[in-house]
Amino acid sequence: DTGVSQNPRHKITKRGQNVTFRCDPISEHNRLYWYRQTLGQGPEFLTYFQNEAQLEKSRLLSDRFSAERPKGSFSTLEIQRTEQGDSAMYLCASSGPGGATGELFFGEGSRLTVL
Amino acid sequence: DQQVKQNSPSLSVQEGRISILNCDYTNSMFDYFLWYKKYPAEGPTFLISISSIKDKNEDGRFTVFLNKSAKHLSLHIVPSQPGDSAVYFCAASGNQFYFGTGTSLTVIP
Repeated sequence: DTGVSQNPRHKITKRGQNVTFRCDPISEHNRLYWYRQTLGQGPEFLTYFQNEAQLEKSRLLSDRFSAERPKGSFSTLEIQRTEQGDSAMYLCASSGPGGATGELFFGEGSRLTVL
Repeated sequence: DQQVKQNSPSLSVQEGRISILNCDYTNSMFDYFLWYKKYPAEGPTFLISISSIKDKNEDGRFTVFLNKSAKHLSLHIVPSQPGDSAVYFCAASGNQFYFGTGTSLTVIP
């Protein structure tokens, strides 16, 4: 297992288009998190899943954002009708048995640029 | 509403000296505190953590101190090495993880 994998790594889109990001967590991890990071800020929580259940969503996650984890394995984050303010790095992280308590394993992120 | 704060955006230290990175939090219900390190174009990687029931945890050159009464934690790196140059994020966990805004550490050879 090579860790948390995210794709695409970079996405440039025009305002109003839809984009989808995919995250493949570490295989034995049951928790999966989505964060957003903008320049000069730390990661901001968006949502998390325990297995296939979406347990919490941030108020940052407007109705244009939707996340799924249909079989409790990979997850997708879709942004509809993108706006320039959506430009950011979208980070996925997973956690589960085997790591230090509270440890999140992050992917390398998917950078979104909305023109 | 920033629940975890890192008030120093940057820090420079000489190689071999001690680096001290600071973090403050507001929620006394957090049960774990963590430090992550981030290089450019990579995701954050876990460095060290501490349970809220402890006041110190040490791992090699890295030590984290927790002062619950002051709602403050710090990361000490000694001796500092040029490879430690990165952005360091403090995080606190309850049901989810809250991150600070990061401190960019530069270790000067």
